[in-house]
Amino acid sequence: DQQVKQNSPSLSVQEGRISILNCDYTNSMFDYFLWYKKYPAEGPTFLISISSIKDKNEDGRFTVFLNKSAKHLSLHIVPSQPGDSAVYFCAASRFGNEKLTFGTGTRLTIIP
Amino acid sequence: ETGVTQSPTHLIKTRGQQVTLRCSSQSGHNTVSWYQQALGQGPQFIFQYYREEENGRGNFPPRFSGLQFPNYSSELNVNALELDDSALYLCASSLSGRGTGELFFGEGSRLTVL
Repeated sequence: DQQVKQNSPSLSVQEGRISILNCDYTNSMFDYFLWYKKYPAEGPTFLISISSIKDKNEDGRFTVFLNKSAKHLSLHIVPSQPGDSAVYFCAASRFGNEKLTFGTGTRLTIIP
Repeated sequence: ETGVTQSPTHLIKTRGQQVTLRCSSQSGHNTVSWYQQALGQGPQFIFQYYREEENGRGNFPPRFSGLQFPNYSSELNVNALELDDSALYLCASSLSGRGTGELFFGEGSRLTVL
């Protein structure tokens, strides 16, 4: 049972344009959501998070939107840069603890 | 500040053997979690250790076991290896109680079972 789903395995975006990565979840008990970025041969690194009491959180070029009624979140990257090319994982937890449930990832490729 | 380090980075075992993977947590972190990432999948939670006690376990059989030491470093042991255990094993450390869910991952140990 995949409780966190990333239905797009890959996404290609032109440099300078907006990248939108999507994530859906099924467990309504999740109350904290995170995005991680992973380069080859490296561990995932934390990017941005959002609590279920908010619907938007921004950090520089990165914005995460949460739609609780739809059980959907998205990560927006504006403008996209070549260094953003990586695999992005959506993750969720209960009570904001460190036991995360991850999606299967979306490989983002930024085209120069 | 020292990050999370894991060893070995790569190893090959045969079915039925046992393996021990090691992890040094980031300085100041008291919680260690282990994740298994199979090819093409996201990381899956194996278990977490806090103050040397197991603090939650995912859907993994008992042949997956762990330890946390007083210096917060950790080991993951897998007995009776199966072909499906081939994966990247990720260790992550965190400071429990922050309520952010933020983990700091090591580079992983890639295990191949033949």
